[in-house]
Amino acid sequence: DQQVKQNSPSLSVQEGRISILNCDYTNSMFDYFLWYKKYPAEGPTFLISISSIKDKNEDGRFTVFLNKSAKHLSLHIVPSQPGDSAVYFCAASAGGGSYIPTFGRGTSLIVHP
Amino acid sequence: NAGVTQTPKFQVLKTGQSMTLQCAQDMNHNSMYWYRQDPGMGLRLIYYSASEGTTDKGEVPNGYNVSRLNKREFSLRLESAAPSQTSVYFCASSYPGQGIGYTFGSGTRLTVV
Repeated sequence: DQQVKQNSPSLSVQEGRISILNCDYTNSMFDYFLWYKKYPAEGPTFLISISSIKDKNEDGRFTVFLNKSAKHLSLHIVPSQPGDSAVYFCAASAGGGSYIPTFGRGTSLIVHP
Repeated sequence: NAGVTQTPKFQVLKTGQSMTLQCAQDMNHNSMYWYRQDPGMGLRLIYYSASEGTTDKGEVPNGYNVSRLNKREFSLRLESAAPSQTSVYFCASSYPGQGIGYTFGSGTRLTVV
């Protein structure tokens, strides 16, 4: 049973527009959430995280929003660039991030020039 | 360059053959992990080593063994390869309790025929 769900396998966006990647979780013990980005033939790299004590965290063009009551988080990329084309994995951890995270299945983002 | 190094990058095995995937990190991380990535399945944890001298099963350990050779090296062994083990394998390392601190290698693409 998936505890971290990324229901959209793929997303296509025009350059300059907003990309919104969604993630849902079922385990109420999760209190630390992460996004990883993966280019083809490379390993995933950490992108941004958020603790459950916050509902928003920004880092440049990337913002993660957390809705604890809905057990939902989203990653916003504004403006989207062709170099953002990659697979994005949502991950969730318990114990304030001290536990090994559980990964979602990933969303493939394509940003068209 | 600092990071996680995996060898080999590509491998083709016949069913029943054995092989060892090597992983080494030079960041002085205590914890190391082996994941497999399959299409539509995300990243699934095979085994992990929280510290030198310890190893534990992850989500999908069947058919695999691991060895934490020293603090730097963590190997994954397939004793009798099966087609179901065709996958991309990623090694990662981190300090304990740091979900954000995962550094991944670039992966080993394994095909079992």
